[in-house]
Amino acid sequence: EVQLVESGGGLVKPGGSLRLSCVASGFIFSSNTMNWVRQAPGKGLEWVSSLSYNSNYIYYAASLKGRFTISRDNAKNSLYLQMNSLRAEDTAVYYCARAAHGPSTFDYWGQGTLVTVSS
Amino acid sequence: QSVLTQPPSASGTPGQRVTISCSGSSSNIGTNTVNWYQQLPGTAPKLLIYSDNQRPSGVPDRFSGSKSGTSASLAISGLQSEDEADYYCVAWDDNLNGPVFGSGTRVTVL
Repeated sequence: EVQLVESGGGLVKPGGSLRLSCVASGFIFSSNTMNWVRQAPGKGLEWVSSLSYNSNYIYYAASLKGRFTISRDNAKNSLYLQMNSLRAEDTAVYYCARAAHGPSTFDYWGQGTLVTVSS
Repeated sequence: QSVLTQPPSASGTPGQRVTISCSGSSSNIGTNTVNWYQQLPGTAPKLLIYSDNQRPSGVPDRFSGSKSGTSASLAISGLQSEDEADYYCVAWDDNLNGPVFGSGTRVTVL
C-alpha cells in the first residue's frame, strides 16, 4: 500500500524557517517525481515544487521567489521542503504528492502537515 | 486569481447529471492533458480523472472527463450524496513551467 506521511509543520514567526519531511512507503520511491502542493485555510490547491526521481529536474512556483528548496534522499525514501523567510501568506496545509502518468498527475497524496506563520 | 477558471459552485439532486467546466489557454489546457481531483471535506485530494478522460482504478464510471480546445469538463452522472466535495482541474502550463490548478468547484447534492 502506497503511503506518504508528512511531518515538520507547526507555528513559526514571520521571517522564520521550517523544514518539512515526507516519508514514502509501498512503492519504489527512487523511480518517481515527487511534489509539494499546499492549501491555505479555506482556499484552493496551489502547486509548490516538483523534483524528479534523480533530482536532475527541479521546478518551483514563481510565487515562492526563491525562498523554498525541495530535496530528496532516495536512500531514506524521503522528500523535503526547506522553507525560509516565511510569510503569513505561506500559512497552509502542505501535501506531499507522487507524480505518475505525467507532471501534473498526482496519484497519491499524504495527509498533509499544517504550517502556520504568525507572530 | 487562478490560471484555470472553474465555476465556484454546482449542484444537483440525487441521480442528476452535473457538469463542471475548466477554462484555460493555449499554454496549458490547449497543449497539455487535464487532470481532475476530488477533495472531500477534511481530507487530502484524490485523483479522479487523468489524461483528460482516464479513470484510475476504483473510480466509478459515473465520473467522466472531456476536453475541447482550451476547455475541459468533468461530468458526474447519477449524482450521489457522497459526491459532495470540492473538485479541481489541473494542467501543466508551458509558460509557467509548472502545474496550474483551477480555483475549485464545490458540488452540493440537494
